[in-house]
Amino acid sequence: SAVISQKPSRDICQRGTSLTIQCQVDSQVTMMFWYRQQPGQSLTLIATANQGSEATYESGFVIDKFPISRPNLTFSTLTVSNMSPEDSSIYLCSVGLTGAGEQYFGPGTRLTVT
Amino acid sequence: KQEVTQIPAALSVPEGENLVLNCSFTDSAIYNLQWFRQDPGKGLTSLLLIQSSQREQTSGRLNASLDKSSGRSTLYIAASQPGDSATYLCAVEGGLNTNAGKSTFGDGTTLTVKP
Repeated sequence: SAVISQKPSRDICQRGTSLTIQCQVDSQVTMMFWYRQQPGQSLTLIATANQGSEATYESGFVIDKFPISRPNLTFSTLTVSNMSPEDSSIYLCSVGLTGAGEQYFGPGTRLTVT
Repeated sequence: KQEVTQIPAALSVPEGENLVLNCSFTDSAIYNLQWFRQDPGKGLTSLLLIQSSQREQTSGRLNASLDKSSGRSTLYIAASQPGDSATYLCAVEGGLNTNAGKSTFGDGTTLTVKP
């Protein structure tokens, strides 16, 4: 199993500012994922963060808005840039083993943009 | 593109009742299917993982089945308790044009168990 922590757990930010969310895993993993869960909705994958290479973004998400860092096999950050109220969501970090592994999630970061 | 549907969207039952949550997916070329529980404002807790070669998994009062050929999974909860009240999410890893490691989630079933 994997234990994942996220910082901050929640934040209230003003429109136009940026917030960086940290994700720490207690073991080395190849693939880390960032999801967004908008109010009342299910999870949508933002990007896959691979150590040593650029993140891979899903349709509708771009690097300028959601830059991701993956400096090592246990840590990643997601930045939400130039925030608007539409960015108010829970952002979740997850890890999984390629192919046949169980997926583990962090506790999430609840972001409110005013 | 993989699509996952969960039915019903919401379910309310009296305590002690047995219940079934349904999940369907469009592309059967999956690696695995995972059921999660999410409490309000919280992250996701993994309940059961079914590999693509398996038919079912059991944990306590929970039993999940997988019929890959028909693109369906069910989560059976026996003798429901108020503490089971939560949103249950189904996630499928893989599928047509979906790489390993990437999961597609259903919209969830919100379960309320009344004392």
